[in-house]
Amino acid sequence: DVKVTQSSRYLVKRTGEKVFLECVQDMDHENMFWYRQDPGLGLRLIYFSYDVKMKEKGDIPEGYSVSREKKERFSLILESASTNQTSMYLCASSLGGADNQPQHFGDGTRLSIL
Amino acid sequence: AQTVTQSQPEMSVQEAETVTLSCTYDTSENNYYLFWYKQPPSRQMILVIRQEAYKQQNATENRFSVNFQKAAKSFSLKISDSQLGDTAMYFCAFMKPQHNNNDMRFGAGTRLTVKP
Repeated sequence: DVKVTQSSRYLVKRTGEKVFLECVQDMDHENMFWYRQDPGLGLRLIYFSYDVKMKEKGDIPEGYSVSREKKERFSLILESASTNQTSMYLCASSLGGADNQPQHFGDGTRLSIL
Repeated sequence: AQTVTQSQPEMSVQEAETVTLSCTYDTSENNYYLFWYKQPPSRQMILVIRQEAYKQQNATENRFSVNFQKAAKSFSLKISDSQLGDTAMYFCAFMKPQHNNNDMRFGAGTRLTVKP
């Protein structure tokens, strides 16, 4: 089975801090994604990557950046955390270059910015 | 841009009964894929069922089946013989396949509670 691992399930940070959320997948997937999940809004795509060192903005990239130095790891960075970034963050991966490949998700990180 | 709408924020069903969750989407594409994901209270999202738009036959996975109406852009999920373990958030998702990028769009979700 595909395993997508997010480094923290709960994280509490302070306003202005630089925050790193880490995600690792073990299935050699080309595509990786970061979403935030908020009640009533579903999942909104922040950034995605379809190859090492490649990144594309999703629907809500403002205030975030990403890094993909290795194929298995995709990091989400909050450059200067703000309270409106308190949310659940979900990482996902999928096989690239093929149709109909669903995304596989990690357990999520519930991030609180105080 | 594709949008996915789930008009039922919350639903409940008695154990062993059948429930249908609705989903509509908006797209100008002819070829695409649709998915239902389940997110139990433990939070990991898992794939429940998928449907290819070019297939007329509705997908079925054990107690889960879909009613795919392409012309109406509707993709509902039917859960038969509901079980307590079906209690979860359910998300409908749309994917337009592109080379090297399987970008998905999700609805807002429906919280389903199965009552004993």
